[in-house]
Amino acid sequence: EVQLLESGGGLVQPGGSLRLSCAVSGFTFTTYAMSWVRQAPGKGLEWVSSMSANGRSTFYADSVKGRFTISRDSSKNTLYLQMNSLRAEDTAVYYCACLVIAVPINYWGPGTLVTVSS
Amino acid sequence: AIQVTQSPSSLSASVGDRVTITCRASQDIRSDLGWYQQKPGKAPKLLIYAASSLQSGVPPRFSGSGSGTDFTLSISSLQPEDFATYYCLQDYNYPLYTFGQGTKVEIK
Repeated sequence: EVQLLESGGGLVQPGGSLRLSCAVSGFTFTTYAMSWVRQAPGKGLEWVSSMSANGRSTFYADSVKGRFTISRDSSKNTLYLQMNSLRAEDTAVYYCACLVIAVPINYWGPGTLVTVSS
Repeated sequence: AIQVTQSPSSLSASVGDRVTITCRASQDIRSDLGWYQQKPGKAPKLLIYAASSLQSGVPPRFSGSGSGTDFTLSISSLQPEDFATYYCLQDYNYPLYTFGQGTKVEIK
């Protein structure tokens, strides 16, 4: 059974940092790209960042470029999102996901809430 | 970046109604589009992939059509469990993605 489980969310002050983790089990972690998607309270889904299957390429939404860094530890089957210089508008539930529409591959974690507030 | 415009943002319908939601991409994305259903507090559920293919386990009242820039999700006869928010998602430039803005389907 495929499982993705996020952790590391919480309350952080504006300008602060937080690192999210996503533990993956039940499928080969390095077969497909892995991504982070977020959803602000009462708002729609927003793609945040992806890492290619081979781990050599990373991609970011303009809204987080230069502040967030995606990485992974293949030995631990874990994906990370380092979030720096956090802003109030980064408040959201952050989902770890593996999405390949054509196959289809559609794996999501339950999400972890990040709240940026003083 | 590819933009996706989804409409309407919300709609009210009755059980048994036919419902149609559209997404328009800012460029040709072939059939690289999926449709998702999301209920409060839950991760999105895939309904349709590759624009028109029904995901396993999804009721056949859901259907998708389109290719290129214009896409449609239809629900032939709305059921009580279908009241939710629906999103389209394109992955033409995989693994860069764009979600539509969402359509909230409410009970009339």
